[in-house]
Amino acid sequence: DQQVKQNSPSLSVQEGRISILNCDYTNSMFDYFLWYKKYPAEGPTFLISISSIKDKNEDGRFTVFLNKSAKHLSLHIVPSQPGDSAVYFCAASGGNKLVFGAGTILRVKS
Amino acid sequence: DAGVIQSPRHEVTEMGQEVTLRCKPISGHNSLFWYRQTMMRGLELLIYFNNNVPIDDSGMPEDRFSAKMPNASFSTLKIQPSEPRDSAVYFCASSSLGYEAFFGQGTRLTVV
Repeated sequence: DQQVKQNSPSLSVQEGRISILNCDYTNSMFDYFLWYKKYPAEGPTFLISISSIKDKNEDGRFTVFLNKSAKHLSLHIVPSQPGDSAVYFCAASGGNKLVFGAGTILRVKS
Repeated sequence: DAGVIQSPRHEVTEMGQEVTLRCKPISGHNSLFWYRQTMMRGLELLIYFNNNVPIDDSGMPEDRFSAKMPNASFSTLKIQPSEPRDSAVYFCASSSLGYEAFFGQGTRLTVV
């Protein structure tokens, strides 16, 4: 029972363009959502988050959008840079439980 | 703070042997998580603790897996007996107030 789903295993984007990573969740009890970035041989690192009372949160080149009615969130990276190439995990939190999706591999081509 | 510390970084063991993975969370964090990363399922939550108490172990795949948190600064994940399909990267993470979790570097387990 995957409560957090990232349906795109990979995404390839040209440098300077926008990267959009998507995530769906099924549990209405989740009240906090996060994106993590992971490089090979390293642990995931926190990128950006959003509370369920908001629909948008922005931090530099990264913006997360939340659509509660659709149980959908997305991460926008503008402009994309080669150093953004990594695995991106979507996560949802409720009652201190933190559940992750399967991840999306982002490749930014220069 | 040194962050979340996991040991060992790499473990190679023979099928049937006992394996123990260790984790030291960030001081002051009250939640601790054990995850397993696989290609198919991404970061799979195995178990998590709040204030040293196991809250949800529904992700533990089998009775061969067990986890303990004897105090706020130490946790172990044990696999006994280990099997080749247990080969994966195991991550420990800790958080405060249930928000963003900080991850260790992971333990790459290979069971041959």
